[in-house]
Amino acid sequence: AQSVTQLDSHVSVSEGTPVLLRCNYSSSYSPSLFWYVQHPNKGLQLLLKYTSAATLVKGINGFEAEFKKSETSFHLTKPSAHMSDAAEYFCVVFLGSSGTYKYIFGTGTRLKVLA
Amino acid sequence: DTEVTQTPKHLVMGMTNKKSLKCEQHMGHRAMYWYKQKAKKPPELMFVYSYEKLSINESVPSRFSPECPNSSLLNLHLHALQPEDSALYLCASSGRGGQSYGYTFGSGTRLTVV
Repeated sequence: AQSVTQLDSHVSVSEGTPVLLRCNYSSSYSPSLFWYVQHPNKGLQLLLKYTSAATLVKGINGFEAEFKKSETSFHLTKPSAHMSDAAEYFCVVFLGSSGTYKYIFGTGTRLKVLA
Repeated sequence: DTEVTQTPKHLVMGMTNKKSLKCEQHMGHRAMYWYKQKAKKPPELMFVYSYEKLSINESVPSRFSPECPNSSLLNLHLHALQPEDSALYLCASSGRGGQSYGYTFGSGTRLTVV
């Protein structure tokens, strides 16, 4: 069965310091993985996606993520946090097998950026 | 046009009311979705339409009735809702590459049932 685990429900960083949001997945075959960001009272915006091409994926707003099959991880990073990065982040795995196609969402990580 | 547009942005309705949520996209996407999101929780899938046909209903109560009149438009008809149905309702679509290439989400309708 496919699943995704976000290891931290809350992360606080100071502005200008690195961001690390952790995500582990479980999949019986090569997954498609995504990170989405949701600002308060807004919809979800796709940050980046891994679909079995390059293992280091660059996204919007300076975010990137590395797919590590040996560790079953897809952690999201950014070298320097900005106040506007404060939001909820969701790691998502795409389930596509046996005629069922849907996203499996992680429980989310709330990122707080301190001035 | 690279957006999914949802209207209204906010909706307050009584338990006896009938209302509809609307979702529109002009990206040529042939799959569209309704999600429900409660506060501090991830979105939960409600319905999937593929090529204007309902392909997934995640055991949603019949007081929620989806409709896909054409490839650009998705509606969610609401009737006799309960206060616990208050939530952010999100619409999304996915393109020719399929769901494995990512969804485009709308900004949602904040529904309050009184």
